[in-house]
Amino acid sequence: ETGVTQTPRHLVMGMTNKKSLKCEQHLGHNAMYWYKQSAKKPLELMFVYSLEERVENNSVPSRFSPECPNSSHLFLHLHTLQPEDSALYLCASSQDREQPQHFGDGTRLSIL
Amino acid sequence: GQNIDQPTEMTATEGAIVQINCTYQTSGFNGLFWYQQHAGEAPTFLSYNVLDGLEEKGRFSSFLSRSKGYSYLLLKELQMKDSASYLCAVSRSGTASKLTFGTGTRLQVTL
Repeated sequence: ETGVTQTPRHLVMGMTNKKSLKCEQHLGHNAMYWYKQSAKKPLELMFVYSLEERVENNSVPSRFSPECPNSSHLFLHLHTLQPEDSALYLCASSQDREQPQHFGDGTRLSIL
Repeated sequence: GQNIDQPTEMTATEGAIVQINCTYQTSGFNGLFWYQQHAGEAPTFLSYNVLDGLEEKGRFSSFLSRSKGYSYLLLKELQMKDSASYLCAVSRSGTASKLTFGTGTRLQVTL
């Protein structure tokens, strides 16, 4: 059971498409995160939002654009992606940045 | 920079005890997390160690030695459902939001 919900669970898109990943947390947390998980690689932190303000951007290419309209929702807008962007994208939230993070089930993204 | 090492794979028998090690090198170390991740599912929080010593939580225990840059996760009375990846993650002082993960240890529990 998770209080962090991600949609869609699976996404296949071409390199010229534009799509968005959605994350919603029902835990009343103030911080939200996007991670990328590729096979045989560590989880890579992409973005951190605290109280709807982006506090960290981990040198992520501009073809990934995050949006946090409120403390419960986080989006990752995708455009002109590359095949190497195929991965599992995980969203997480925490009460504040000192507390353990709770993860969603992720979106499995495949770029054709 | 930071460096986190943990074994890639381990195999253990149902009912046994297994210890998964994690070593790290980082400046400004704050604490160490362990997460469990079943295939195709979200990582779930297991433990967080800030101080040296052993913390026990049911069948799972986690140990930290700050001076040695070393932690382990101990799983007792292994069950088939414990087959999963176990992720070690380090947080740094002042940047607690930024967790740096190891590559994870894939544990296979056999009969």
